[in-house]
Amino acid sequence: GAVVSQHPSRVICKSGTSVKIECRSLDFQATTMFWYRQFPKQSLMLMATSNEGSKATYEQGVEKDKFLINHASLTLSTLTVTSAHPEDSSFYICSARVRGLRGGTGELFFGEGSRLTVL
Amino acid sequence: GENVEQHPSTLSVQEGDSAVIKCTYSDSASNYFPWYKQELGKRPQLIIDIRSNVGEKKDQRIAVTLNKTAKHFSLHITETQPEDSAVYFCAARLSGGYNKLIFGAGTRLAVHP
Repeated sequence: GAVVSQHPSRVICKSGTSVKIECRSLDFQATTMFWYRQFPKQSLMLMATSNEGSKATYEQGVEKDKFLINHASLTLSTLTVTSAHPEDSSFYICSARVRGLRGGTGELFFGEGSRLTVL
Repeated sequence: GENVEQHPSTLSVQEGDSAVIKCTYSDSASNYFPWYKQELGKRPQLIIDIRSNVGEKKDQRIAVTLNKTAKHFSLHITETQPEDSAVYFCAARLSGGYNKLIFGAGTRLAVHP
């Protein structure tokens, strides 16, 4: 299957600092990537849809100025958590949909996830 | 907004028994329904999926059924093994836009030896 790589896998930062998470599609081009957030023992909540060359589309209730998304190339999307606070601590997972693979099912492949802890 | 409901939230079975997880979705135009398995601290892994033009799909011990009229789909795992223990998520792909995938709340399956 297609490979999506996410970095860093773990990050600890102080309150008020910004953290950048990278999501790369390693062996395919992804015009669209999705960013999810997962709290312990909870489901994956879609935060935003990242579109190459254009602005991201945010889900209702997600602050776009808080969670900056940049999709500068067909293989890289970044999520920056700005002025992080302890309540931003969570597991952030990116995913990318592959067009044309497996007969065009649009299967989503996930990155390894990034566990953010804000002190 | 559109949502996906999943039941049960936890499921405990004995090794060798079957496990069934059920989901309902609200977007009647949804046409793709994957199931993901997530082990603790790891990424979700696709285990099986079904499209709306098919009523049932099977892959070894795993099967998924879809009832489009009722907007209901289920995951069936037969002859469960301890390594099946994980959290399982159903999802539905929304119509329109970027075909976003919306997840159910998850089912924590425990298979006891």
